[in-house]
Amino acid sequence: EPEVTQTPSHQVTQMGQEVILRCVPISNHLYFYWYRQILGQKVEFLVSFYNNEISEKSEIFDDQFSVERPDGSNFTLKIRSTKLEDSAMYFCASSEQIVPGNTIYFGEGSWLTVV
Amino acid sequence: AQSVTQLDSQVPVFEEAPVELRCNYSSSVSVYLFWYVQYPNQGLQLLLKYLSGSTLVKGINGFEAEFNKSQTSFHLRKPSVHISDTAEYFCAVSGGTSYDKVIFGPGTSLSVIP
Repeated sequence: EPEVTQTPSHQVTQMGQEVILRCVPISNHLYFYWYRQILGQKVEFLVSFYNNEISEKSEIFDDQFSVERPDGSNFTLKIRSTKLEDSAMYFCASSEQIVPGNTIYFGEGSWLTVV
Repeated sequence: AQSVTQLDSQVPVFEEAPVELRCNYSSSVSVYLFWYVQYPNQGLQLLLKYLSGSTLVKGINGFEAEFNKSQTSFHLRKPSVHISDTAEYFCAVSGGTSYDKVIFGPGTSLSVIP
């Protein structure tokens, strides 16, 4: 079964450093998302992306964050200058189309630890 | 804005016993409801979803959920749990004001005791 893949699975970085989390969505999907889950808390929406632009973003997704689809297969999340509170599991997701109730498929997550 | 409540943060249950994980949502428009499962050290996997039609939805691994519009609930049930069902379960909603994304509840940690 096709799946969303994410790299790295775990990254430790120093505060203030830039981090790029990478994702390969399912190949025929057109809509891409990033979510995050701080340890012990719920999964929160960060951003959705379609047709090479952000379609929606949450309050969490401030100027420190950016997303990019640099080629036909990858979808990246960049955190420009990491803070301790950015430590979380980051999930990439994709869906084939935006219709009500469409299934969003999630990757296994990238665990980011900021020290 | 839409929101999802999962009243039970942790649910311990003995193996082969039935379980119900509760989910309530709030929305002023029609919604679509989901249950996702997160096994230890893994990503989020869709268990089942309700879009329309029959209010009883069957999913993978023997789980089912019932949509109750009057009570704004979407409780997840399984008649007999296994050790392998130990995981975090998230109820989620989409539609209406969150047209193209899902909003997750806080999750319920199910622990199956041998």
